[in-house]
Amino acid sequence: GNSVTQMEGPVTLSEEAFLTINCTYTATGYPSLFWYVQYPGEGLQLLLKATKADDKGSNKGFEATYRKETTSFHLEKGSVQVSDSAVYFCALSRNTGGFKTIFGAGTRLFVKA
Amino acid sequence: DVKVTQSSRYLVKRTGEKVFLECVQDMDHENMFWYRQDPGLGLRLIYFSYDVKMKEKGDIPEGYSVSREKKERFSLILESASTNQTSMYLCASSLPERSQETQYFGPGTRLLVL
Repeated sequence: GNSVTQMEGPVTLSEEAFLTINCTYTATGYPSLFWYVQYPGEGLQLLLKATKADDKGSNKGFEATYRKETTSFHLEKGSVQVSDSAVYFCALSRNTGGFKTIFGAGTRLFVKA
Repeated sequence: DVKVTQSSRYLVKRTGEKVFLECVQDMDHENMFWYRQDPGLGLRLIYFSYDVKMKEKGDIPEGYSVSREKKERFSLILESASTNQTSMYLCASSLPERSQETQYFGPGTRLLVL
């Protein structure tokens, strides 16, 4: 079946450090891939997405590239800020008779000043 | 901007009570979803709906039911609340853009069942 695996947190970084959060997926065919972010006390919001192989999604300095050969969609940011502290969810979506989205367990990021 | 609102941010209920969680979206989205979020488990789909009066079971429907009488409103019902239903409940909506759908989430309702 379809599944998403992302690295366990929490991840703690100092401000301006480089961020990588790993995400791999299992799916047949060609899913769309997403990163959602949940700031404290809020619901999830879309951070970026990619809909086909080799696409790069980007937003707010974050990037992720859809790698079909390694079934991965790792999230990166070159220089994190305290305001990036949040929980990040990797997700995939396929039209398989229903538009269900499968979410990873989430990775909590703490950024220290 | 799409806005998804949930009726309560925090709820405290007693075991055996009937609990209603309401969700309203203002962008005329066909699809609506209810998830529960638990530490280490991510989001798990309870029920979803593609249209008025239509509902489909998600991955963990046991102990829950839903109602969609109007397009903008999707209600989650706990018929007889139990302590293992203490959780964060998230509502979401989306357009039917097939596999490219982006989901728009409400702020969540944190439910405590005593």
